Amino acid sequence: GENVEQHPSTLSVQEGDSAVIKCTYSDSASNYFPWYKQELGKRPQLIIDIRSNVGEKKDQRIAVTLNKTAKHFSLHITETQPEDSAVYFCAASTARGNEKLTFGTGTRLTIIP
Amino acid sequence: NAGVTQTPKFQVLKTGQSMTLQCAQDMNHNSMYWYRQDPGMGLRLIYYSASEGTTDKGEVPNGYNVSRLNKREFSLRLESAAPSQTSVYFCASSDPHSRGRYEQYFGPGTRLTVT
Repeated sequence: GENVEQHPSTLSVQEGDSAVIKCTYSDSASNYFPWYKQELGKRPQLIIDIRSNVGEKKDQRIAVTLNKTAKHFSLHITETQPEDSAVYFCAASTARGNEKLTFGTGTRLTIIP
Repeated sequence: NAGVTQTPKFQVLKTGQSMTLQCAQDMNHNSMYWYRQDPGMGLRLIYYSASEGTTDKGEVPNGYNVSRLNKREFSLRLESAAPSQTSVYFCASSDPHSRGRYEQYFGPGTRLTVT
């Protein structure tokens, strides 16, 4: 089955700096790659996603890039703010829609004021 | 819309006891999922249901059973709880066949402790 590895497991950045989280996947048939944010004690929520026919997608301060050849994708957060502190999960799916997402193990991002 | 709701929020069980976690969604979604979340392990899929009347195993199904009661409700049952099942359980739903809308919506979670 699919295997998703995520790095780093923890990341601390100064407020205003950029943060980058990286994931690799094993199944070349994977075609959908979402990122979820989970604040402490809360439920995971989708923040951005990308399909395999797109190399990059941006939404305000958040961007995701995908390299299908290398089988890796990354989350970029620019101009970080204290409210960006959370755990971020990447995921991959080989299904037609988004059934059976395989999640990475998460990155705890801390923004230092 | 309440979105995805789960009951109970917290539960403590003794080893060997059974219980059912309830999940309901009011978004008319076809697909529903049960995940467990353990520290350092991310979210792991236990079971999912692509539509009413169908269920499939995920990554970690052993020790669990599910029922897709109708389109709204998807329950998770622990027949004989074990300490290894101590975890936070999340239910989620999605409508993957709705064009462009692949987001999974999660419930608030159930924190289960098995002693």
